[in-house]
This record gives sequence, C-alpha cells and structure tokens, in this order.
Amino acid sequence: DIVMTQSPDSLAVSLGERATINCKSSQSILYSSNNKNYLAWYQQKAGQPPEVLISWASTRESGVPDRFSGSGSGTDFTLTISSLQAEDVAVYYCQQYYSIPRTFGQGTKLEIK
Amino acid sequence: EVQLLESGGGLVQSGGSLRLSCAASGFTFSSYAMSWVRQAPGKGLDWVSGIGGRGRSTYYADSVKGRCTISRDNSKNTLYLQMNSLRAEDTAVYYCAKGSNDSSGWYFNLWGRGTLVTVSS
Repeated sequence: DIVMTQSPDSLAVSLGERATINCKSSQSILYSSNNKNYLAWYQQKAGQPPEVLISWASTRESGVPDRFSGSGSGTDFTLTISSLQAEDVAVYYCQQYYSIPRTFGQGTKLEIK
Repeated sequence: EVQLLESGGGLVQSGGSLRLSCAASGFTFSSYAMSWVRQAPGKGLDWVSGIGGRGRSTYYADSVKGRCTISRDNSKNTLYLQMNSLRAEDTAVYYCAKGSNDSSGWYFNLWGRGTLVTVSS
C-alpha cells in the first residue's frame, strides 16, 4: 500500500498570510506513460463531507478559488493557500489515486492565528 | 441537482450486519466508478471499497475484505455496501463518493453527507 504522510499535523496562520501543507508518498505516484501525478487534495470543514480542491497534483477543480494551488511531483507535494481567509479553516487531506487501495494522508488542521 | 444521499446506518451489535445504500442523482450514474469512504469519530478518511461503472470490477481495503460486499444497481442509480461481522472498529460515518471517471485513475469529486454506523460491543 502507498502510505501518505502529511506535515504538519496542525497549522495556525494569520489572515491574509500564506499557508503551506506538505504531503509525501511512500513511492512515486507519477505515471510515466502520461507524465501525470495521481494526487488530489481535499478540504473538510467541521461537520461537512470533504470536497476536492486539486486533482492531478496541480489542477484546480471548478469553482475553487485561485488562492489554492498545488505543486510537486513524484513523491513530494505541496498545497498552498496564498492568502488565508476565515472560510479556509478546515482539515486538509492529500490522497493518492495511483493504485488500490486508495490512501489518504492523516490530515492537517488549519486554524487562524 | 447533482447529489448523493446515503441511508441505512444505525446502531448494531458486534457481529451484526448492515446494508448501506447511496442514491445518486443529477449525473449518468453508470459512467462513473463509485466508492465508500469512512471516517471514525475524530479521525481521518479511510477508503473502504470501490466499484467500476458497470459493476464488474470491485475493490476492497484489507480491513473489510471478506466481510463487506459492494454492489450497484445502475437501473436504480443506487450504490450499496453490505457489511457483515461488524466490529467496534467499524464505527464511523460512511460516505458515498463518486469517482471522477470510470478508468483506472479516479479520485472523488462528489461526496454524500454520510451515514453513521455505530457498532456496540
């Protein structure tokens, strides 16, 4: 199984500042035949189901604000929120869809400082 | 409206069974892989099982293999999860999640609100 490890476990950032969450996979999730990284990022607000923000490591889903961006390749990935808004308080998860079983990182709790 | 609506959760004794259902609407159900993902109280996300669009391919996490069966009825736009020999560690909110496509690389681009399964020992 591919193990996904996020850092940090929790993060407090001031409004308007940048937030950065890291995700590392135990093996490469870059598929060589199409040069795509099989990684998604999800946001889960309190009491709600998760919502996908980013797919293919760096593609924003429709309707996701452009302050959210994803980067990285191979085994190391980053979710960046360029200017934190109050509504961004949530737990963020990375997930690989390169292989079965699908696996998630343990989550990063993002709060306002 | 595009949505997923789970049902069938509840309180069950250890060793018991439950059947979860997920009614889909607003998209061509048979064109997408579907999955169940669970979340224990206060914990992270845990993929449980997945099924291809036509129902021929099924996938399970090791933690539920042999105890759970995923199925779908495309004529009813409904996904199911039959859970047997339930254990306390199966206690969680179970989410139905739509795959982004029906090929090999699907992530989850639509989630239901979940149904709570509580297993008492």
